[in-house]
Amino acid sequence: EPEVTQTPSHQVTQMGQEVILRCVPISNHLYFYWYRQILGQKVEFLVSFYNNEISEKSEIFDDQFSVERPDGSNFTLKIRSTKLEDSAMYFCASSPRWPRRDTQYFGPGTRLTVL
Amino acid sequence: GENVEQHPSTLSVQEGDSAVIKCTYSDSASNYFPWYKQELGKGPQLIIDIRSNVGEKKDQRIAVTLNKTAKHFSLHITETQPEDSAVYFCAASNPLSGNTGKLIFGQGTTLQVKP
Repeated sequence: EPEVTQTPSHQVTQMGQEVILRCVPISNHLYFYWYRQILGQKVEFLVSFYNNEISEKSEIFDDQFSVERPDGSNFTLKIRSTKLEDSAMYFCASSPRWPRRDTQYFGPGTRLTVL
Repeated sequence: GENVEQHPSTLSVQEGDSAVIKCTYSDSASNYFPWYKQELGKGPQLIIDIRSNVGEKKDQRIAVTLNKTAKHFSLHITETQPEDSAVYFCAASNPLSGNTGKLIFGQGTTLQVKP
């Protein structure tokens, strides 16, 4: 069964450094998402992406964040200058075309630790 | 703003008993309600979902009910087994929200099934 994959599983970085989290969505999916989960809190929406552009972004997704689909398979989240409060699990998700467009499949996550 | 409340935060049952987790949502335009199971160290896995045009859906030992008038939906697990132990998340999606498919998650319920 196809799965969303994410790398790395754990990333440790120093405050102020740039990080890139990588995702490979399910191959025939068209819609892509990033969510994050701070330890002990809800899963929060960050951004949705379709047709090579951002569809919607949350208040969390400020100018320090960016997303990109550099080729036909990868989907990346970049944090330009990490802060301590960016420490969280980051989940990538993807969904297929209608009529299952709202069914999102999640990857295993990347644990980001900012020191 | 959009919000999903989930209860209880923890639930402990004996193997073979039933478990019920309840969620309420604030946005009356929401029409898609998935449930995810998250095991330790893994990403959320979709286990069942329901759309607003039906009131109940069942898949083997798992069922979900939806009351649109009261804006709440519930997950029912019958004949629980130790492998059902995990964190369960409810979520809601409003297709009118820019049609992005953004999911709003509940806080999660940690289910422990005692052998």
